[in-house]
Amino acid sequence: QKEVEQDPGPLSVPEGAIVSLNCTYSNSAFQYFMWYRQYSRKGPELLMYTYSSGNKEDGRFTAQVDKSSKYISLFIRDSQPSDSATYLCAMRISGSARQLTFGSGTQLTVLP
Amino acid sequence: DTAVSQTPKYLVTQMGNDKSIKCEQNLGHDTMYWYKQDSKKFLKIMFSYNNKELIINETVPNRFSPKSPDKAHLNLHINSLELGDSAVYFCASSHRDRDYEQYFGPGTRLTVT
Repeated sequence: QKEVEQDPGPLSVPEGAIVSLNCTYSNSAFQYFMWYRQYSRKGPELLMYTYSSGNKEDGRFTAQVDKSSKYISLFIRDSQPSDSATYLCAMRISGSARQLTFGSGTQLTVLP
Repeated sequence: DTAVSQTPKYLVTQMGNDKSIKCEQNLGHDTMYWYKQDSKKFLKIMFSYNNKELIINETVPNRFSPKSPDKAHLNLHINSLELGDSAVYFCASSHRDRDYEQYFGPGTRLTVT
């Protein structure tokens, strides 16, 4: 079993829809939770990060962490065709020089 | 201005050859990384350097050897290439204290035939 599980999709939604992307994890020591977006043939770019539990909002994007369920989510409101990409969750334990553990990504297509 | 750059962007080579990939960052970061992304998009850390010192060294065949001449550069040399080495290799950089915020290069698509 992988430490971080992510539904690979693909996920297709119409423009304007609310998108929910999720990851589950098994390592209860994870404290930092990140969402990266990767466009086709590009490197990943950080969208949002959250430390420990709770919600964080940035424009149309909301990240949620539920440590009791070992479950994190990324919500995209009013989705746009430009949101079409692969979304990777990533996690890290506390301490210095710790590696990020990535999910395998969910491919999202927002149809105009 | 490109923040994290990699060369070459594409690399096609035969089994058994030796090749190198170069990475440079102009963000003033002190930590750099090599990742391998397989065909299923799974991104896995290989190495990390902080101020030219190796700090993360995952279980990677010793045919892979990273080198960091200074904190702005990180190279990856691969000896005796195998078919299974075909993947996209990403370089990334960050501040050590904010290593959750990594900036990735465009990737080097390596194909071994």
